[in-house]
Amino acid sequence: GNSVTQMEGPVTLSEEAFLTINCTYTATGYPSLFWYVQYPGEGLQLLLKATKADDKGSNKGFEATYRKETTSFHLEKGSVQVSDSAVYFCALSGAKAAGNKLTFGGGTRVLVKP
Amino acid sequence: ETGVTQTPRHLVMGMTNKKSLKCEQHLGHNAMYWYKQSAKKPLELMFVYSLEERVENNSVPSRFSPECPNSSHLFLHLHTLQPEDSALYLCASSQDPQGDETQYFGPGTRLLVL
Repeated sequence: GNSVTQMEGPVTLSEEAFLTINCTYTATGYPSLFWYVQYPGEGLQLLLKATKADDKGSNKGFEATYRKETTSFHLEKGSVQVSDSAVYFCALSGAKAAGNKLTFGGGTRVLVKP
Repeated sequence: ETGVTQTPRHLVMGMTNKKSLKCEQHLGHNAMYWYKQSAKKPLELMFVYSLEERVENNSVPSRFSPECPNSSHLFLHLHTLQPEDSALYLCASSQDPQGDETQYFGPGTRLLVL
């Protein structure tokens, strides 16, 4: 079955530091890949996505590239801010069928200190 | 604001109570989902509705009863819950089955069972 593995947190870093959150996946076929972010007290928000190999998703300074050869979708940001403190979830889509199922990783908590 | 609303945002109930969680989406989607998010556990998919029909029930106890009266509304009826059911309950929607797989989440209902 499908699975997503992402690094466990918490990840603590200083403002303006470089952030990388690793995500690898196991899936059949050609899933779409997603990064969701959950700020304290809120639901999940789509951060970025990529639908095919070598696509790069980007949003709010975050980037991730769909690497089929390494089955990875690592999230990066060059200079984080305190407001980036949140939990980040990597996810992949299942086969297109009634009800699109997403498989989520366990989430990585990121804490950015001033 | 993702276009998915949930009420109430917070709920405290006793084990003998009956309550309902409500989710409404304003995105024109036709698939809706209930997730459970507990502390230190992966996001758990509970139910999936596509075109108002339940297409997935992930071995959820019968004390949780979903209802989807139309494509815009989803309910989760709760009765005789246990303290371990305390969690954040998230609703999501997507375009289904051949549309964009992206799921859009509501802010969640924080449930505490005493």
